[in-house]
Amino acid sequence: QQQVRQSPQSLTVWEGETAILNCSYEDSTFNYFPWYQQFPGEGPALLISISSVSDKKEDGRFTIFFNKREKKLSLHITDSQPGDSATYFCAASPNYNVLYFGSGTKLTVEP
Amino acid sequence: EAAVTQSPRNKVAVTGGKVTLSCNQTNNHNNMYWYRQDTGHGLRLIHYSYGAGSTEKGDIPDGYKASRPSQENFSLILELATPSQTSVYFCASGDSRVANERLFFGHGTKLSVL
Repeated sequence: QQQVRQSPQSLTVWEGETAILNCSYEDSTFNYFPWYQQFPGEGPALLISISSVSDKKEDGRFTIFFNKREKKLSLHITDSQPGDSATYFCAASPNYNVLYFGSGTKLTVEP
Repeated sequence: EAAVTQSPRNKVAVTGGKVTLSCNQTNNHNNMYWYRQDTGHGLRLIHYSYGAGSTEKGDIPDGYKASRPSQENFSLILELATPSQTSVYFCASGDSRVANERLFFGHGTKLSVL
């Protein structure tokens, strides 16, 4: 049973466009939601995170929008660059330690 | 920068054989984790540890054992490897003393069980 769901599985955007990656979860006890970025051949690395007390978190070109009532969140990447091409994982935790990861969205940014 | 080192980077094993995957971290983190990554499933938690001597079961512990002999080292053991355990395995460490713990991952071990 997938605790965290992501869509789409893959996404292609042109350089300069905004990429929108979606995530949803089942467990209402989840209160911490990090997004990890993974390049081929490497381990995932923390990109940006949000806690359930906030509805938006911004870090440069990356923004998380969080809807607690609907148990949904999204990652927006504005002015997408070819270097942003990677797989993005949404994760969730009920206790700030154990993380449950989604299946990932593979983003390709075409120049 | 936090460092997590996994060995080996690649491993080919035979069905029924014993496999040990090793992980070392120099971050002085209490928590360590083993995940496996498969297409369509993302990262799934196998075992984790809160400190030396402790191991906890994650979501998919069947067929795996873990060992945490020291703060720095965390091993994943496949006593009787099966082809279904062919995957990429990631070790991670995190600081339990920090709210919103950030995980630092190794580069992964690609395991093929023939």
